[in-house]
Amino acid sequence: DQQVKQNSPSLSVQEGRISILNCDYTNSMFDYFLWYKKYPAEGPTFLISISSIKDKNEDGRFTVFLNKSAKHLSLHIVPSQPGDSAVYFCAASDYNQFYFGTGTSLTVIP
Amino acid sequence: KAGVTQTPRYLIKTRGQQVTLSCSPISGHRSVSWYQQTPGQGLQFLFEYFSETQRNKGNFPGRFSGRQFSNSRSEMNVSTLELGDSALYLCASRGGRMGYTFGSGTRLTVV
Repeated sequence: DQQVKQNSPSLSVQEGRISILNCDYTNSMFDYFLWYKKYPAEGPTFLISISSIKDKNEDGRFTVFLNKSAKHLSLHIVPSQPGDSAVYFCAASDYNQFYFGTGTSLTVIP
Repeated sequence: KAGVTQTPRYLIKTRGQQVTLSCSPISGHRSVSWYQQTPGQGLQFLFEYFSETQRNKGNFPGRFSGRQFSNSRSEMNVSTLELGDSALYLCASRGGRMGYTFGSGTRLTVV
């Protein structure tokens, strides 16, 4: 049973525009959320995280929003750049284990 | 400091064979987790080791096993390989509550 879901397998965005990647989860015990970015032939790299006590965390062009009532988080990338083209995984933790979504492949078109 | 090192990077095996993958975590990290990545399935959790003890296990058959040594290095073994075991196997180490640091993975192809 997939506790963390990324329902959009792929997303294409023009360079300079906003990219919004979405993630839904089912377990209300999750209290820590992360986004990872993965290039082909490389392992995922940590991008940004948010604790359940917050609803927004910003780091440069990347902002993560958390809506606990909807069990939904999103990653906003503004402005999008061609180098952002990668697969993005969201992950959630209940302190015991991390659960990953299936990933969204982002393509930023120059 | 050095990152997470996985060896080998690529591997081709025949159905029915067994394979052992190796992972060296970041120095000082005691938690090592293994994930399988296949297209459309995302990152599927295999197991986590902490101080040489398996702490968590995912929903994989018993053909998948692992162990951790006293220096925190970990190995993962898959016996009686099947075509469906072809995947990227990722190892990740964690030093605390923060997220994982992943290695570059081992690409296993079963033919």
